[in-house]
Amino acid sequence: DAGVTQSPTHLIKTRGQQVTLRCSPKSGHDTVSWYQQALGQGPQFIFQYYEEEERQRGNFPDRFSGHQFPNYSSELNVNALLLGDSALYLCASSSGVETQYFGPGTRLLVL
Amino acid sequence: GDSVTQMEGPVTLSEEAFLTINCTYTATGYPSLFWYVQYPGEGLQLLLKATKADDKGSNKGFEATYRKETTSFHLEKGSVQVSDSAVYFCALGYTDKLIFGTGTRLQVFP
Repeated sequence: DAGVTQSPTHLIKTRGQQVTLRCSPKSGHDTVSWYQQALGQGPQFIFQYYEEEERQRGNFPDRFSGHQFPNYSSELNVNALLLGDSALYLCASSSGVETQYFGPGTRLLVL
Repeated sequence: GDSVTQMEGPVTLSEEAFLTINCTYTATGYPSLFWYVQYPGEGLQLLLKATKADDKGSNKGFEATYRKETTSFHLEKGSVQVSDSAVYFCALGYTDKLIFGTGTRLQVFP
């Protein structure tokens, strides 16, 4: 049983560019959440998708957007990248009120 | 708003020593409480959880008890190993999101 998978593992972009990160949830999970983890910090909640809709959103600007597909996989898009967007982006999947399980993350560096 | 406070690290211990990592929380509702562990270069792994007051979560020799009266969820292990070296995150959660502490780095030396 595959766990949560994310792609790519690493990414380098320049300021002002746009980036798309991808996540496939654990088998049987229908809910995907995205988190940003800056260096030396705890993860910060970006948003959660369920039934292809954004269900909850954290304190992140509109430059951060997402999508969930009918097969429950998800994308995180960040527009107009800033240096401060450099971080580890974590995807977590869950089902109902069950525990969130995390993927290995995508490390984004913005130069 | 809801928040989690963890003791600052790093925590440095010799192998077989007793471990305590303190975690306190502030919550407006009735969250579940979690400990996640992050090994270098990896994502987060669930270590243990507790869903209501007085519940004890345990896994791999680690344990933590959900204390509503002291709003705490301290992580303990009786005898640490070098392989336990990692960053440990305390978190509170509802259905929609998790709120994490800043993490505590544990270093165990032989």
